[in-house]
Amino acid sequence: AQSVTQPDIHITVSEGASLELRCNYSYGATPYLFWYVQSPGQGLQLLLKYFSGDTLVQGIKGFEAEFKRSQSSFNLRKPSVHWSDAAEYFCAVAPVNTNAGKSTFGDGTTLTVKP
Amino acid sequence: ETGVTQSPTHLIKTRGQQVTLRCSSQSGHNTVSWYQQALGQGPQFIFQYYREEENGRGNFPPRFSGLQFPNYSSELNVNALELDDSALYLCASSSRTGGNTGELFFGEGSRLTVL
Repeated sequence: AQSVTQPDIHITVSEGASLELRCNYSYGATPYLFWYVQSPGQGLQLLLKYFSGDTLVQGIKGFEAEFKRSQSSFNLRKPSVHWSDAAEYFCAVAPVNTNAGKSTFGDGTTLTVKP
Repeated sequence: ETGVTQSPTHLIKTRGQQVTLRCSSQSGHNTVSWYQQALGQGPQFIFQYYREEENGRGNFPPRFSGLQFPNYSSELNVNALELDDSALYLCASSSRTGGNTGELFFGEGSRLTVL
């Protein structure tokens, strides 16, 4: 069965500092990979996705993620964090040749941004 | 273009009762997926509906059931409510062509409290 691990439950960074959120997955082949953001009281918004090709993917709001097959990782990065980035971030996987609607999510990382 | 809307936004039920949650998919989307998000956890896939039929189900008992209507809107029904059913229920719509779906668009969720 596929699974997703986000090792960091809570991360605090200063505004303007760089950010990296970790995501490791377990699956027999390369899955579809996603990062979502959830602000309090709101649904999830897709930040970026990896299906195939270039292992460095760019997303919205200045985020990027790098797929590393050898490490089964898909870490999310941002060079300079803004206060509005404070939210919960979820990594998700879906099997290739199926559909994103059947995704498996990690338990999330809560990001706090210090002024 | 309207987004995904869910109703009600909040509700309180008692153990043993039944609940119906509703979701209107985004315009042009033909697939609806339902997720349960318990406090402090990531969303868990309940089931997906495509062309008014269930198209995949996660590890949830039969008392969780659903419907999709010809206009692609959907309902999630939960019978014999248990305390552990307290959660945020998220609906996500997408456009499926062939075997794959595109990006998921989430509603803001229905928060269910079972007393």
